[in-house]
Amino acid sequence: SQQGEEDPQALSIQEGENATMNCSYKTSINNLQWYRQNSGRGLVHLILIRSNEREKHSGRLRVTLDTSKKSSSLLITASRAADTASYFCATGPSNDYKLSFGAGTTVTVRA
Amino acid sequence: EAGVTQFPSHSVIEKGQTVTLRCDPISGHDNLYWYRRVMGKEIKFLLHFVKESKQDESGMPNNRFLAERTGGTYSTLKVQPAELEDSGVYFCASSPRRVPGTGELFFGEGSRLTVL
Repeated sequence: SQQGEEDPQALSIQEGENATMNCSYKTSINNLQWYRQNSGRGLVHLILIRSNEREKHSGRLRVTLDTSKKSSSLLITASRAADTASYFCATGPSNDYKLSFGAGTTVTVRA
Repeated sequence: EAGVTQFPSHSVIEKGQTVTLRCDPISGHDNLYWYRRVMGKEIKFLLHFVKESKQDESGMPNNRFLAERTGGTYSTLKVQPAELEDSGVYFCASSPRRVPGTGELFFGEGSRLTVL
């Protein structure tokens, strides 16, 4: 069954605006990760946040994690055309090696 | 350093035919994973190798799918015979991590399978 579920499914914004997407999950986790997939390419790791962390930054990315609500958010600030991609959250359970992914949020940044 | 490579990038076959997908992980990565994404849905786990051993194959859809990783290096995923619902993008990923629940995965660009 699907562990991570992203919301919204699709997002269209103007260049320079911020993009926010959310992820909800079901079971306890060791960490939560966000990946990006540009059209026709592989998934690229963006950021990892551990279960004992609440917020993490990496460049223009900001990730939050609320383990009590089993949810996470990814904020991309000052978006660029190159940010157009699908974004996936993935959860790493504490007792397993494999990551569980959602269906992704498709972000389109308009010039 | 070379990343995860997958071959072929796209395969179009008739229903009932056989297809073999190949994945070369990053050198030194003991963990190798196969995932599949069907028609814009979630990316689903298929199986996980640690070196040449199958650690977890709980995501394999049925016995038409066979994965191998001889010698603990590259891996193949064979679909025989292929059905229409097998169409999708098959991703391979690898990681060096040893502790469960930690670390990122390094993905290949995927093999798109179209079954007609």
